[in-house]
Amino acid sequence: GQQVMQIPQYQHVQEGEDFTTYCNSSTTLSNIQWYKQRPGGHPVFLIQLVKSGEVKKQKRLTFQFGEAKKNSSLHITATQTTDVGTYFCAGPKYQAGTALIFGKGTTLSVSS
Amino acid sequence: EAEVAQSPRYKITEKSQAVAFWCDPISGHATLYWYRQILGQGPELLVQFQDESVVDDSQLPKDRFSAERLKGVDSTLKIQPAELGDSAMYLCASSPDRHNEQFFGPGTRLTVL
Repeated sequence: GQQVMQIPQYQHVQEGEDFTTYCNSSTTLSNIQWYKQRPGGHPVFLIQLVKSGEVKKQKRLTFQFGEAKKNSSLHITATQTTDVGTYFCAGPKYQAGTALIFGKGTTLSVSS
Repeated sequence: EAEVAQSPRYKITEKSQAVAFWCDPISGHATLYWYRQILGQGPELLVQFQDESVVDDSQLPKDRFSAERLKGVDSTLKIQPAELGDSAMYLCASSPDRHNEQFFGPGTRLTVL
């Protein structure tokens, strides 16, 4: 079946350093979504990418969707302690509009 | 800001007992999802509703799990009998339609002893 993989599983950085997490799908995706889950919290939607090669920015966060629409990345510039949490990518289980398959997530810890 | 409500927040039960979880999605959201999240993993879909109809329950262990959304608004997920392996966080999410972002509730943490 379809799989969504993320690396690394864990990442620790010093505050101010950059951070990147990578997401790879076993199949071509119609779109990809990113969620953040704070410790003890629930997933919160960050962004959706739809177009091949799409790049979107949210302040210090940069999201990319690969040309083949099978991979994606999230880059955080100059991390802050508020960035702590687990970042999940998720793609539609079948076609667009169907339930999401989530990756296992990348857990980010930041020390000040 | 509207939120997805879930209850209870925590549930401890013994194996072979029955448990039920309730979810009230954001008003007007037609699509409702139940996910199970094991510690250290991403959420895994159990069932998807569009209004009152089940769209996808292929991953729902139907011998023990059931879900309903009778009036197309709130939903209940039931487990009977509970097994030790069912210990997890059960998350409910809703969406205005199937193509949009999903809004997650705070979840129900289930512990089966």
